[in-house]
Amino acid sequence: DAGITQSPRHKVTETGTPVTLRCHQTENHRYMYWYRQDPGHGLRLIHYSYGVKDTDKGEVSDGYSVSRSKTEDFLLTLESATSSQTSVYFCAISEGQGGVDTQYFGPGTRLTVL
Amino acid sequence: KQEVTQIPAALSVPEGENLVLNCSFTDSAIYNLQWFRQDPGKGLTSLLLIQSSQREQTSGRLNASLDKSSGRSTLYIAASQPGDSATYLCAVTGRDGNKLVFGAGTILRVKS
Repeated sequence: DAGITQSPRHKVTETGTPVTLRCHQTENHRYMYWYRQDPGHGLRLIHYSYGVKDTDKGEVSDGYSVSRSKTEDFLLTLESATSSQTSVYFCAISEGQGGVDTQYFGPGTRLTVL
Repeated sequence: KQEVTQIPAALSVPEGENLVLNCSFTDSAIYNLQWFRQDPGKGLTSLLLIQSSQREQTSGRLNASLDKSSGRSTLYIAASQPGDSATYLCAVTGRDGNKLVFGAGTILRVKS
């Protein structure tokens, strides 16, 4: 394992409530990523970070925000959860840019929005 | 916008067969291509990374090829085993060298 944990691993919430997912790494890698995985779509990038307080949007960033105040933690927040955000969320890390270095993935968080 | 397609969506083969998984992408201006494996309920594990200047990469029974000009990659698995059963995903990185675009995956089942 690449020293990546995600919490919680499972969560059920109601539409309109805020939700925060946490990704924690022990590798001191610079780059961190949040993806969502839905049937028929593979993984899609939500946001990524290239350093403390440095973040950028991915392909499906609407409705999500992120924060990174420490190298080891990358938080994904759904300000007001909707049923379309029901998905499995994966965090990933890489030492260098994700296209150059291998990305290592966490175990995932299964989120259900009722 | 880059799009990645994987064919077939699912594949079932008897143990010992050699098999090929296909991946195609619409924009040939890629930085590299990666193949991942995902076991049920788990995260992804990187199998092979091919730089855009390379034609193939090998790791054990796995061989991945890349034809950037035609927008295609194949993952060849030799002498398949039941332990190879998983979902295999390919992903390409664009010019920015950072954002991966994934295909939907091929679900492989190797029967003993």
